[in-house]
Amino acid sequence: ILNVEQSPQSLHVQEGDSTNFTCSFPSSNFYALHWYRWETAKSPEALFVMTLNGDEKKKGRISATLNTKEGYSYLYIKGSQPEDSATYLCASTNTGNQFYFGTGTSLTVIP
Amino acid sequence: GAVVSQHPSRVICKSGTSVKIECRSLDFQATTMFWYRQFPKQSLMLMATSNEGSKATYEQGVEKDKFLINHASLTLSTLTVTSAHPEDSSFYICSATGDPGDGELFFGEGSRLTVL
Repeated sequence: ILNVEQSPQSLHVQEGDSTNFTCSFPSSNFYALHWYRWETAKSPEALFVMTLNGDEKKKGRISATLNTKEGYSYLYIKGSQPEDSATYLCASTNTGNQFYFGTGTSLTVIP
Repeated sequence: GAVVSQHPSRVICKSGTSVKIECRSLDFQATTMFWYRQFPKQSLMLMATSNEGSKATYEQGVEKDKFLINHASLTLSTLTVTSAHPEDSSFYICSATGDPGDGELFFGEGSRLTVL
């Protein structure tokens, strides 16, 4: 079992603030790193999948980076909005394509 | 993106009864479906992997006779919690990969099971 960790567990930010959080994972047998956005009572929604060291992905105000050598990924949200409030979940997959999830970071954006 | 629908979203049952949770892929054929369980403040833990038309593969520590999984068609997988007990109370969520699969997972909305 891969140990995927996310930090912080939760955070509250003011509307307009930028924020970021971390997903760390074991580097051995790494294949891909996935980020999901999970709103209450909805399905987790795929944000990004990254495979190569140094990968950077961007979707609107949200972006992510990947460092496979040291085993971490950052998710950045620029100018947070209340609608960004959700749990952000990361998952690491190994060469067997099995998903190992972190516990998520719960983000609350205060208007 | 592909849509996976899971029902019911919440279920409360008495101890000793069985509960069935359905997971449907609405706009794609799901060759493989996964069932996860999440306890409070913990990560999603894979319970079993099911492939259409074959027996499910259970993760270590998951009782296959207690958590019956059926994947009879390319669009439907069911998880039945048999003789449920309070310790089975948890959040259960399914996911699916399509055909051809690109490795991406598409999730249902999840089901909150409370066993009294």
